[in-house]
Amino acid sequence: KNQVEQSPQSLIILEGKNCTLQCNYTVSPFSNLRWYKQDTGRGPVSLTIMTFSENTKSNGRYTATLDADTKQSSLHITASQLSDSASYICVVSAKNQGGKLIFGQGTELSVKP
Amino acid sequence: NAGVTQTPKFRVLKTGQSMTLLCAQDMNHEYMYWYRQDPGMGLRLIHYSVGEGTTAKGEVPDGYNVSRLKKQNFLLGLESAAPSQTSVYFCASSYEAAGVSSYEQYFGPGTRLTVT
Repeated sequence: KNQVEQSPQSLIILEGKNCTLQCNYTVSPFSNLRWYKQDTGRGPVSLTIMTFSENTKSNGRYTATLDADTKQSSLHITASQLSDSASYICVVSAKNQGGKLIFGQGTELSVKP
Repeated sequence: NAGVTQTPKFRVLKTGQSMTLLCAQDMNHEYMYWYRQDPGMGLRLIHYSVGEGTTAKGEVPDGYNVSRLKKQNFLLGLESAAPSQTSVYFCASSYEAAGVSSYEQYFGPGTRLTVT
C-alpha cells in the first residue's frame, strides 16, 4: 500500500536553532517528492520538488534531501525563525497511478523565542 | 494575479442542507483539484479535473459532485450535507498533472465547513 509517514508528529525548537524533519515512503514506482509549508488557517505552499535523480534541493534556509534507495527524505531548516512555525507536509507521487499525490500527515513545528 | 481563490471562507450547515463551494484560478491551469483536510490525516483528493468540461473521481468522492464549465472555475457541491463532511476543503490547480510532472501545485486558502 502506498504510504507516506512523517516524523516527528510535532516539534518545538528555540528561535535560531536548526531542525530536521523526516519523511519515509513506500510509494512505488516513484515519480517525485514535494515538501509543503502550511501556515495555520492557510493552504499549503510548495517549498521543494525533487525527482528521482535529485538528492538535494534548497530553497533559502530550507534544504530537502532524498534517498530513493531507502525511500527517505528529510527537510532541514537552518537558523529557524518565528515565521517557520507551521505544519510541514511531505507528498510523494506514483508514476503508475496517473500521478496520484500521497500526502503525509505533516509535522507541526513550533519555533519559540 | 490572485492565484487560487475560494469562496466562502467559512460555512455552517445543518444536516441535509446543500451548498456549493467555488474555486477560481487566474493562472490558465488545465488541472484543478478538490481536497479535504481532517485532523491527523493527510489531505485526501475528492475530485479533480484535467480540463474544461471534464471531471474525475479521487480517493473520497462519495457525497460530493463537481463541475468544470469554465476553465478557470471548479465547483464542489454537497447535495445533502452530513456531519462526516465537516472538514477544511482546499482547491488546488496546476499547469500539468502535479504527480507526473515537476510542475507546482498551487492551493487556495481553504473553506472551513461545519455540518451540525
